[in-house]
Formats: sequence, structure tokens, C-alpha cells
Amino acid sequence: SQKIEQNSEALNIQEGKTATLTCNYTNYSPAYLQWYRQDPGRGPVFLLLIRENEKEKRKERLKVTFDTTLKQSLFHITASQPADSATYLCALGDLNQAGTALIFGKGTTLSVSS
Amino acid sequence: DAGVIQSPRHEVTEMGQEVTLRCKPISGHDYLFWYRQTMMRGLELLIYFNNNVPIDDSGMPEDRFSAKMPNASFSTLKIQPSEPRDSAVYFCASSPLQGMRDTQYFGPGTRLTVL
Repeated sequence: SQKIEQNSEALNIQEGKTATLTCNYTNYSPAYLQWYRQDPGRGPVFLLLIRENEKEKRKERLKVTFDTTLKQSLFHITASQPADSATYLCALGDLNQAGTALIFGKGTTLSVSS
Repeated sequence: DAGVIQSPRHEVTEMGQEVTLRCKPISGHDYLFWYRQTMMRGLELLIYFNNNVPIDDSGMPEDRFSAKMPNASFSTLKIQPSEPRDSAVYFCASSPLQGMRDTQYFGPGTRLTVL
């Protein structure tokens, strides 16, 4: 069956450290993978998109990797801050879905303590 | 742009009542999506439209759910009759055709409670 699994429901780290979140998938052929941030009571907000032929994408303190062999994406936040505390969702754009529909993981809630 | 607008933000109703959720997408976006989010199941796609036409409604849980998009600036999701298990946060999202076409812009959501 098809699955998207994000490594853990919650991740607690100290300010200044690097947070690493994992997204694993099975039985999908994603053309691209996206990461979203969701704050309590709000809708998800797009952060980064990485395509299947890209290994890595960066944006400021954020870095995403995409390994189609391992069927895994890693999402890194360097020099983390308490303001980074939120739930982070990964989402796949499956080749079989005409590149339009996204399938979301359940998310990992990150807490950064000062 | 004001972003995706959803109304109401909160809805409390009794079992058996009809519920209508509303969405105004970002102007110029050709795709509109309806999602439901619960703790147990996460964010699930219910239905999406392209240029006002429903493309995939396989995520709609039952015939009690229906969605329409009468024009490019308005969509509704209706539940009739509502049941307690429909309690969730419902999100509308829109996406542009060009550029990062599969980036989705979400509204603030409607928190539905069915008693």
C-alpha cells in the first residue's frame, strides 16, 4: 500500500542546533516533493519544492534533500530558533496524478527551546 | 492579494443539519483544492477543480459531501446531512498554472464541530 511517513510526531531541540526532519514514502513515484509549515490554527504555508532530478535545494536556513533510491527526503533547519517551532508537513506530487494533486504526510511537530 | 479566503472560520452544528463551507481562491489561480485535516488521518484531499471543472473527487468520503465551483472566484463544500465524524478542519487551497504550478496556497481553514 502507499505510505508517507514522517519520522516522528514530535521533535524537541535546543536553539542554535540543526533540526533534521525525515519524510519516507513507499509505492509512490513522485515527480517532486514539497515541504510546508503549519502553525496552530492556520493553514499550511509552502516552504520548498524539490524535483526528482534535484538532489538538494536551499533557501536561507532551510535545506531539503531528495533521494529517490532511498525514497526519502530530509528537511534541515540550521541555527534553529524558537520561532521555527511549528508542524512541518511533507507532500508528494505523484507522477500518476498528472502533477497536480499532492499527498501529505501527517507532519512532525518541531519545538525549539531557548 | 488577500490570499485564499474561507468562511466561516468556525462552525458548530447539530447532527443532521446541512453545512456549507465557502472559499474564494487567489485571483488567477486555475486550481482549487478542498482538504480535510484531523489528528488521526492528517491532511486528506477531498476534491480538486481545474478551471472550475471537478477533476478528481475520489477523496470525497460519501454522497453526503458535495462540492461546486460555479465560477473562478468561488467554491462551496456542502455536507448534508452532517454527522459527528465530519468534525475536522476543512481547508481550501489554490494553485497557479504557471511557474511553480504545484505550490498550493492554503486558506485559514474552517473548524467544523458537529454535535
